[in-house]
Amino acid sequence: KAGVTQTPRYLIKTRGQQVTLSCSPISGHRSVSWYQQTPGQGLQFLFEYFSETQRNKGNFPGRFSGRQFSNSRSEMNVSTLELGDSALYLCASSLSGASDTQYFGPGTRLTVL
Amino acid sequence: AQSVTQPDIHITVSEGASLELRCNYSYGATPYLFWYVQSPGQGLQLLLKYFSGDTLVQGIKGFEAEFKRSQSSFNLRKPSVHWSDAAEYFCAVGDRGSSNTGKLIFGQGTTLQVKP
Repeated sequence: KAGVTQTPRYLIKTRGQQVTLSCSPISGHRSVSWYQQTPGQGLQFLFEYFSETQRNKGNFPGRFSGRQFSNSRSEMNVSTLELGDSALYLCASSLSGASDTQYFGPGTRLTVL
Repeated sequence: AQSVTQPDIHITVSEGASLELRCNYSYGATPYLFWYVQSPGQGLQLLLKYFSGDTLVQGIKGFEAEFKRSQSSFNLRKPSVHWSDAAEYFCAVGDRGSSNTGKLIFGQGTTLQVKP
């Protein structure tokens, strides 16, 4: 069974631009969560989608948004990029949520210049 | 507020020595508990999890963890560390609420260095 895949793996953007990251969950998984990892703040929950609906949201500004498609693939978008958005963005999938094991992808490393 | 504390930011042990990584959580009830490992430039790999039942759980790569409700702790142990265990280790909690949301709260991580 293929694992969680994230594209692209690396991305360089400049301040003010926007970016879209993609996550393909393990086949059959309906829950997709996104996390931001930085050296200073550690791993922080961004949001979770389940069956195309946002089920939970972390404490991030509205510039961070996401969506989930009918095939459970998910995208997250960051508009008006700031230097502080430089981070490793990780996506995780599970069958239905907290009661199942979450499997993480390799992440997308975003650098904002 | 829910939180996870890993008191040790960095730990160095000699190869072959035993290891214990500490994790304490603050939560209204018993949450789901996890330990993940992350190698440089990689995503997170699940080592083990506690949902219910036996409080001593076995994981991959020879790791085990013990849930102690009275201490709100879920410490990770390994009897003999290998050089390949050098990585960053994260403790995390998940919500048992009715929504079953997949949100995990992570500790700050413990970096393990293994001396030859």
